[in-house]
Amino acid sequence: AQKITQTQPGMFVQEKEAVTLDCTYDTSDPSYGLFWYKQPSSGEMIFLIYQGSYDQQNATEGRYSLNFQKARKSANLVISASQLGDSAMYFCAMRLTGTASKLTFGTGTRLQVTL
Amino acid sequence: NAGVTQTPKFRILKIGQSMTLQCTQDMNHNYMYWYRQDPGMGLKLIYYSVGAGITDKGEVPNGYNVSRSTTEDFPLRLELAAPSQTSVYFCASSSSAGDKNIQYFGAGTRLSVL
Repeated sequence: AQKITQTQPGMFVQEKEAVTLDCTYDTSDPSYGLFWYKQPSSGEMIFLIYQGSYDQQNATEGRYSLNFQKARKSANLVISASQLGDSAMYFCAMRLTGTASKLTFGTGTRLQVTL
Repeated sequence: NAGVTQTPKFRILKIGQSMTLQCTQDMNHNYMYWYRQDPGMGLKLIYYSVGAGITDKGEVPNGYNVSRSTTEDFPLRLELAAPSQTSVYFCASSSSAGDKNIQYFGAGTRLSVL
């Protein structure tokens, strides 16, 4: 069975600095997708970035990038130039190909951006 | 841009009561999902559907039922509510086409069972 592990319950970062949120995954399936979602205090789940297991390059979406290290089974989210509005819970999730796109979520990391 | 719409946003139930959480999407997505999120935890899959008339259990289906009579709607039914069902419930949908199949979420329903 697949598993997602996020070992950082909480992180602090100063405004304008970069921060890395860790995510490791466990699966024996060679084909999978990795996702990051943001959950602000208002509660909604916002899609941030996607990385496919066969993608050769790390995914980037604006200030978000995904540091994908396949051999280490890690998919860390990097947020550059942090903003106060980045304060939120961040969830890593994995989807196995051919499973109706069901997601398995980690327990999340709470990021607090400070002045 | 409606996306995925959930109603109600909040609800308090007494033990043993029943209710239906509504979910509708306007993106013509084949896949729909129900998750629950307990405090301080990630989301866990309750039920999912790959198309109208087709549903299947997720990780935590006990105490819930679903139906999918149309592409747009995927209601979640709680029968005989229990305190353990106090949670935030999210509905999501995704396309079956392409390789990303990003799931888009509704705003959630916060349910308390007292």
